[in-house]
Amino acid sequence: NAGVTQTPKFQVLKTGQSMTLQCAQDMNHNSMYWYRQDPGMGLRLIYYSASEGTTDKGEVPNGYNVSRLNKREFSLRLESAAPSQTSVYFCASSESGQPYEQYFGPGTRLTVT
Amino acid sequence: RKEVEQDPGPFNVPEGATVAFNCTYSNSASQSFFWYRQDCRKEPKLLMSVYSSGNEDGRFTAQLNRASQYISLLIRDSKLSDSATYLCAVNIGGNKLVFGAGTILRVKS
Repeated sequence: NAGVTQTPKFQVLKTGQSMTLQCAQDMNHNSMYWYRQDPGMGLRLIYYSASEGTTDKGEVPNGYNVSRLNKREFSLRLESAAPSQTSVYFCASSESGQPYEQYFGPGTRLTVT
Repeated sequence: RKEVEQDPGPFNVPEGATVAFNCTYSNSASQSFFWYRQDCRKEPKLLMSVYSSGNEDGRFTAQLNRASQYISLLIRDSKLSDSATYLCAVNIGGNKLVFGAGTILRVKS
């Protein structure tokens, strides 16, 4: 039981390049989330998917798109990377009802130069 | 005012000490509360859910004070291995959580 997995672990992009971060969970959770974590700012929600087939914006969605490919997988795409998107990206999943405990993947460290 | 606020610390305590952190939240309708532990360069890991009656797990005790809108985490008999950043998280509706920026704990021998 791997829990939540993310690929890649590290990535360096040049400004303007695109990439997709992959996330998968094997806990049969309905809900999945993408966060970014920056020093002193805590975790900020980018997008989430309450259930398969739905996605919604979080606090900081600009510059990102997401795809809920199936119940297991939720990807995050940067179409044209900017230095401000340098961050650590975490994927998480949870059951769709109370108490909403979320479980996190190991993260992707992204640097945009 | 931020939705969830924590004292960033660091809290520097000797082994064996008792230490407590608070986390304030602004949404009085919040129903679910959590403490996560995050080690350096690792993902947050769920430490405890916080129930209205309080919750205890070994050396860790979590409390909820709805009237003053804060949750607390008490760690007794601190170990070196407790050194980490502790994040609080509050459900703000639906299945979304808002996280505090974290409190750094350093336990020293």
